[in-house]
Amino acid sequence: DVKVTQSSRYLVKRTGEKVFLECVQDMDHENMFWYRQDPGLGLRLIYFSYDVKMKEKGDIPEGYSVSREKKERFSLILESASTNQTSMYLCASTPGLYYEQYFGPGTRLTVT
Amino acid sequence: GIQVEQSPPDLILQEGANSTLRCNFSDSVNNLQWFHQNPWGQLINLFYIPSGTKQNGRLSATTVATERYSLLYISSSQTTDSGVYFCAVVTVKAGNMLTFGGGTRLMVKP
Repeated sequence: DVKVTQSSRYLVKRTGEKVFLECVQDMDHENMFWYRQDPGLGLRLIYFSYDVKMKEKGDIPEGYSVSREKKERFSLILESASTNQTSMYLCASTPGLYYEQYFGPGTRLTVT
Repeated sequence: GIQVEQSPPDLILQEGANSTLRCNFSDSVNNLQWFHQNPWGQLINLFYIPSGTKQNGRLSATTVATERYSLLYISSSQTTDSGVYFCAVVTVKAGNMLTFGGGTRLMVKP
């Protein structure tokens, strides 16, 4: 079974803090993704990576950066957290863009 | 861009009832998935079904790619089926990224 794990289920941070969200997959997948989910706006793609050290911007990359130093790990970084980044963050992975995508359990981030 | 529309937006059922959820999409797809988002927010994979029919227990799905729709059938619903069901597609037009529909919120009452 594919397993995608995320470092925290719930996280509370203060405005201006640097925040790291970690995602790890155990199936040697090439592609990894970060989404955020907000009521009324659905799931929106922040960044994705198709290989180690490679990254592409999604629909809403502003205020975020990513890091992929190892194939199994994809990190989302909020350089200076703001209240409008309070959201549910979901990580996913897939062996190929036309293949099944698998999601982690999600991190509910609150920025106060 | 690609439009993915799900219906109905909300559905309330009595335990034991059957239901059909629909997903319409506006372009040819290379991937179509159905997910169930549980109350804790996790997206559970139900089906990977860019075409054809699949069954898994009480759930089944059919995608008619030429007519650009997919159906998810839930039979003998249980309270644990409650949650939001999402359809998501991958199309060349959307840069081969997963595009989600708005979801169907299902509540199954005991």
